[in-house]
Amino acid sequence: AQSVTQPDIHITVSEGASLELRCNYSYGATPYLFWYVQSPGQGLQLLLKYFSGDTLVQGIKGFEAEFKRSQSSFNLRKPSVHWSDAAEYFCAASAGGTSYGKLTFGQGTILTVHP
Amino acid sequence: GAVVSQHPSWVICKSGTSVKIECRSLDFQATTMFWYRQFPKQSLMLMATSNEGSKATYEQGVEKDKFLINHASLTLSTLTVTSAHPEDSSFYICSASNRREGRTKNIQYFGAGTRLSVL
Repeated sequence: AQSVTQPDIHITVSEGASLELRCNYSYGATPYLFWYVQSPGQGLQLLLKYFSGDTLVQGIKGFEAEFKRSQSSFNLRKPSVHWSDAAEYFCAASAGGTSYGKLTFGQGTILTVHP
Repeated sequence: GAVVSQHPSWVICKSGTSVKIECRSLDFQATTMFWYRQFPKQSLMLMATSNEGSKATYEQGVEKDKFLINHASLTLSTLTVTSAHPEDSSFYICSASNRREGRTKNIQYFGAGTRLSVL
């Protein structure tokens, strides 16, 4: 079955520190991959996406993610975290065929930023 | 661009009443809309997929008679929770995509969500 796993439920970092959020996927073929961010009580905002090509993807708000086929991973990174980055982050994947466009979400990682 | 508006943001209703939630794409044509349910501290669960002008496809375990979805135009989809009960209280989120638009056809843009509280 297709699945997306975010191993870390909660991560705490200090403001200015670097950040890496992990995401692993299990799909028959390489899916389309996404990272979304959700602030409390809000919908989801797309941070970045990977369809094909360059495996290092740049997104909004200074985030980037690297696709590693050998590890079935799509980890999200930011070199220096700001207090406003505190939110919940979801990794998601979708495939073609009959499940075209349907997103499978990971469990989410809550990011807390200490001043 | 790619803004999705969801209304209302918060609704409280009595048990047994029906509630309608609207999802609108403001600046693009939403050929496909998705409805999700999110429980506290959990991820999003896909409830159904709707394509403009056709019946929605519901995920396994989702009652189609309880959660009525209409996608009558390229900019509007509605979710009606019929005869709501306290166990239907949740955060409902819609998303929209345009399958006719090249590479962006695989991107879903999300509304801000609706918090439903059934008393």
